[in-house]
Amino acid sequence: AQTVTQSQPEMSVQEAETVTLSCTYDTSENNYYLFWYKQPPSRQMILVIRQEAYKQQNATENRFSVNFQKAAKSFSLKISDSQLGDTAMYFCASVYYGGSQGNLIFGKGTKLSVKP
Amino acid sequence: DTAVSQTPKYLVTQMGNDKSIKCEQNLGHDTMYWYKQDSKKFLKIMFSYNNKELIINETVPNRFSPKSPDKAHLNLHINSLELGDSAVYFCASSQVRIAGAGEQYFGPGTRLTVT
Repeated sequence: AQTVTQSQPEMSVQEAETVTLSCTYDTSENNYYLFWYKQPPSRQMILVIRQEAYKQQNATENRFSVNFQKAAKSFSLKISDSQLGDTAMYFCASVYYGGSQGNLIFGKGTKLSVKP
Repeated sequence: DTAVSQTPKYLVTQMGNDKSIKCEQNLGHDTMYWYKQDSKKFLKIMFSYNNKELIINETVPNRFSPKSPDKAHLNLHINSLELGDSAVYFCASSQVRIAGAGEQYFGPGTRLTVT
C-alpha cells in the first residue's frame, strides 16, 4: 500500500522569500508519479508540479521546483519568490498506474500562509 | 471551457434523503474518480471508473453508488444521507493509457451539508 506523509501542518513565509514543504512517501512499486497540488480558499484543486519516478532530474515549473530523492522516498516542494497568491493548502500525492486505474494517495496537507 | 464540471457546487439536505452529484469531463479522458475531502481537509479516493470497470474502495458504504452513463460522465448517488456524509466531494479525470500521463484534473468540488 502507498502512503504519503506531510509532517508540517502549517507554515508561513514572508512575501518574496523561499519556503520548502516536506513530503515523504512509501511504495513498493517502481512505476509511479508524484505530484504537488495546491488548494486555495476557492477549494479548486490545482496541479502545481509533477515528477515521474523514473526521471532523475528534478521537475521545475517557474517558481516551483522539487527535490526528489528516490532512495530516501522524499519529495519536497520549494517555492521561490513567494507571492500572496501562493497562500493555500498544499497536498503531496502519489499514484501508481500499474493496472488500468490509478488512485491518488494524498498526504494530509500543509497550510501555507504568505505574509506581506 | 470547463474541463471537469460538477453540479451542484453546494448541496444542503436533511438526514435520510437521497441525493445525486453529477460530473462531466470534456477532456476525452478514459478514467474518472470520486474523492471525499473531510472537515480536516483530508482527501481520500472513493471510486475510480475506467472503461466500464468500477473499482470500489472497500471503506465506502454501499449507500454510495457511482453511475457512469458514458465515458464523459460519472455521477455519484447517495442514499439515506447521514450527518457524517457532510464533506466536499471532488470528481477528477485522467488519461491513464497515454504513456507519461499521470495528473488528474479536478472539478470544482461539491460541498454537501447534511442537517
